[in-house]
Amino acid sequence: GENVEQHPSTLSVQEGDSAVIKCTYSDSASNYFPWYKQELGKRPQLIIDIRSNVGEKKDQRIAVTLNKTAKHFSLHITETQPEDSAVYFCALTGGSNYKLTFGKGTLLTVNP
Amino acid sequence: KAGVTQTPRYLIKTRGQQVTLSCSPISGHRSVSWYQQTPGQGLQFLFEYFSETQRNKGNFPGRFSGRQFSNSRSEMNVSTLELGDSALYLCASSLVTGEDQPQHFGDGTRLSIL
Repeated sequence: GENVEQHPSTLSVQEGDSAVIKCTYSDSASNYFPWYKQELGKRPQLIIDIRSNVGEKKDQRIAVTLNKTAKHFSLHITETQPEDSAVYFCALTGGSNYKLTFGKGTLLTVNP
Repeated sequence: KAGVTQTPRYLIKTRGQQVTLSCSPISGHRSVSWYQQTPGQGLQFLFEYFSETQRNKGNFPGRFSGRQFSNSRSEMNVSTLELGDSALYLCASSLVTGEDQPQHFGDGTRLSIL
């Protein structure tokens, strides 16, 4: 079945710096890769997603890159702000199984 | 447009009891998936329903079951509760079933087993 490794587990940056979170996977049939942001006590919120026929997607300060050959995808947040502090989860689906398989999460702390 | 609504938000039960959780998807969404979130195991898929049929199932025991109604609302039932069932149960909806359908989550039901 699918397996998703997410790194790092914690990330602390200064306000204005960039943050990068990386996920690797094993199933080459995976072809949909969403990222979720979960603030403490709140629901996971879909912030960006990418499909396997696209290498990069950007939405304001957030971007996701996908390398299907190397089987990894990354979330990039530029000009970080304190309100970006949250747990970020990568996920994927693929093949005949439509379930989301999640990484273990990255706790991002943006220090003012 | 209202988001995914889950009820109740909090629930306390004792071992051996059973519980039913409810999920109303975003209006127009017909697929509902359930996930269990715990600090140790993270987010794990339970099952997905579309057109009142279970389409996918995760690796959970038969004590976990669900159903979907004709209006796309879904319920999840857990019987013979165990201490390890304490978790946040999240429901997510998408427009239709499919491997690249964005899923949107509700606030969850926090279940505590005493």
